[in-house]
Amino acid sequence: EVQLLESGGGLVQPGGSLRLSCAASGFIFSSYAMSWVRQAPGRGLEGVSIISGNAAYTYYVDSVKGRFTISRDNSKNTLYLQMTNLRAEDTALYYCAKAATGNVFDWFDPWGQGTLVTVSS
Amino acid sequence: DIQMTQSPSSVSASVGDRVTITCRASQGISSRLAWYQQKPGKAPKVLIYAASSLQSGVPSRFSGSGSGTDFTLTISSLQPEDFATYYCQQSNIFPLTFGGGTKVEIK
Repeated sequence: EVQLLESGGGLVQPGGSLRLSCAASGFIFSSYAMSWVRQAPGRGLEGVSIISGNAAYTYYVDSVKGRFTISRDNSKNTLYLQMTNLRAEDTALYYCAKAATGNVFDWFDPWGQGTLVTVSS
Repeated sequence: DIQMTQSPSSVSASVGDRVTITCRASQGISSRLAWYQQKPGKAPKVLIYAASSLQSGVPSRFSGSGSGTDFTLTISSLQPEDFATYYCQQSNIFPLTFGGGTKVEIK
């Protein structure tokens, strides 16, 4: 069974940093692109970043470029999102999601349960 | 960026009703569209991919159609467990964007 378990969320002040992790199991991690998708409280879904299976390609939504860095450790089956210079508008539940067929341009299946990031003073 | 516009934003329906949700892309995306269902407090779950392919394990009352810019999700006979919010997502060009969601509520 494919499982994705996020961790690392919490309360952080504006301008602060956090690193999110997503531990994956049940599939050949290195063969699949992985993504972070966020959902602000009571709002819709926003794709934040995606990384190819071999980490050669990374993409970011404009609002986080220069502040967030996606990475992965295929030896540990773990996906990361380093977030710096956090803003109030980054407050959201952050989901880790597996690209369904492995490609960077793909739909997502499955999703983890999410980790909550709150940016507030 | 490709904008994905869903309509309606909410719909009230009864058990047994046929429900149709539409999603329009701001530019052509071929058939690179997925539909997700999200229940309160839960992660999204894929229902349809490649515009019309039913994900394994998803009931056949769900169906998808369309290509290019206009897409439809249909629930042929609404069941109590189908009351949720539904999102479309394009996977043609990065950033991969989602529609704003359609909340299906009990009438």
